[in-house]
Amino acid sequence: GAGVSQSPSNKVTEKGKDVELRCDPISGHTALYWYRQSLGQGLEFLIYFQGNSAPDKSGLPSDRFSAERTGGSVSTLTIQRTQQEDSAVYLCASSSGEGRTQYFGPGTRLLVL
Amino acid sequence: ILNVEQSPQSLHVQEGDSTNFTCSVPSSNFYALHWYRWETAKSPEALFVMTLNGDEKKKGRISATLNTKEGYSYLYIKGSQPEDSATYLCAFTNYGQNFVFGPGTRLSVLP
Repeated sequence: GAGVSQSPSNKVTEKGKDVELRCDPISGHTALYWYRQSLGQGLEFLIYFQGNSAPDKSGLPSDRFSAERTGGSVSTLTIQRTQQEDSAVYLCASSSGEGRTQYFGPGTRLLVL
Repeated sequence: ILNVEQSPQSLHVQEGDSTNFTCSVPSSNFYALHWYRWETAKSPEALFVMTLNGDEKKKGRISATLNTKEGYSYLYIKGSQPEDSATYLCAFTNYGQNFVFGPGTRLSVLP
């Protein structure tokens, strides 16, 4: 596609529910990143996929968070048993390789009630 | 663990003023430094990528320089306009490492 797309654009859920956020990277980009921005905070790294290598999960805040990238393209970020502190904008970015410019999607705004 | 520092944390300038801010990065094993502009309610947008010591990049009224030996980059905005109001992020990577974003400098340009 022309750019990184994310869905849904907005998600409201109840505490304790599971949510799935989707990211479609730019076609051909081998690197994919997930970040989040909590209210009033900066960009927080969550997880990084590069090609077929094992993902760098060092930024995931708890074991309720997981992500997968199927076929080296689309990625899904799953948050289980959501908590109110999970409310944030979740951003996905892709790049043509390690260290290359990242192109960000529009984000998913998650609100946990 | 890589650490990227940016200063100042926030900045208020009058329309027409020129301004600059700093990104400090590790100087060892340097690969690339990126600058992004992040406007409120939008996604970060890439401005520049620099890889070589002494690199200078320019885009309209915005320019950036890189000193890898001393580990810093400056971003300059000439004749600030209200539409320049945003958070400016720098990001660093060295060989074999992930991107590391700095905390950003929040710029407000007052009309």
